[in-house]
Amino acid sequence: NAGVTQTPKFRVLKTGQSMTLLCAQDMNHEYMYWYRQDPGMGLRLIHYSVGEGTTAKGEVPDGYNVSRLKKQNFLLGLESAAPSQTSVYFCASSYGGREVDTQYFGPGTRLTVL
Amino acid sequence: KQEVTQIPAALSVPEGENLVLNCSFTDSAIYNLQWFRQDPGKGLTSLLLIQSSQREQTSGRLNASLDKSSGRSTLYIAASQPGDSATYLCAVSGNQFYFGTGTSLTVIP
Repeated sequence: NAGVTQTPKFRVLKTGQSMTLLCAQDMNHEYMYWYRQDPGMGLRLIHYSVGEGTTAKGEVPDGYNVSRLKKQNFLLGLESAAPSQTSVYFCASSYGGREVDTQYFGPGTRLTVL
Repeated sequence: KQEVTQIPAALSVPEGENLVLNCSFTDSAIYNLQWFRQDPGKGLTSLLLIQSSQREQTSGRLNASLDKSSGRSTLYIAASQPGDSATYLCAVSGNQFYFGTGTSLTVIP
């Protein structure tokens, strides 16, 4: 049981490049989330999904796209990276929704955009 | 928009001391409040979850309280140990999840 895993762990991009971050969970959770963590800002929700095939915007969705084609995977895409997207990205999952359930977090992806 | 504040931002205590971490939030319309622990370079680990109808939760040496009407929560750590050194974050669940910026705790042997 690996829990929540994230690929890659580190990445350096040049401005304008694109990339996809992969999140996978093996706990059969319905809900999945993408956050970014910046110094002094706390974690902020980018996008989330309440089930396979669904996605929704969070607090800071601009510049990101997501897809949930399989229940166990949640992909975060950056189409044209900008230095402002330099951050640590965390994926999380939960069985139930925000009303009742705790979230399980992955180890994070550290992204630097030059 | 919900604002979550944690004070102090950093705390250093000698081993064995009891301590309290504070979390405040501006909108009392929440489903629950969670306390997380984050070790350097790692993800978050859930410590305690308090539903909005509850007043407190306990797990081992940890006790978290919630006063929804005043927008406050505290995390009490009894008999602190060096292994407790980490950043502690609180998060409230309303229409979305909102996190505080955390309290960095150092327990000195």
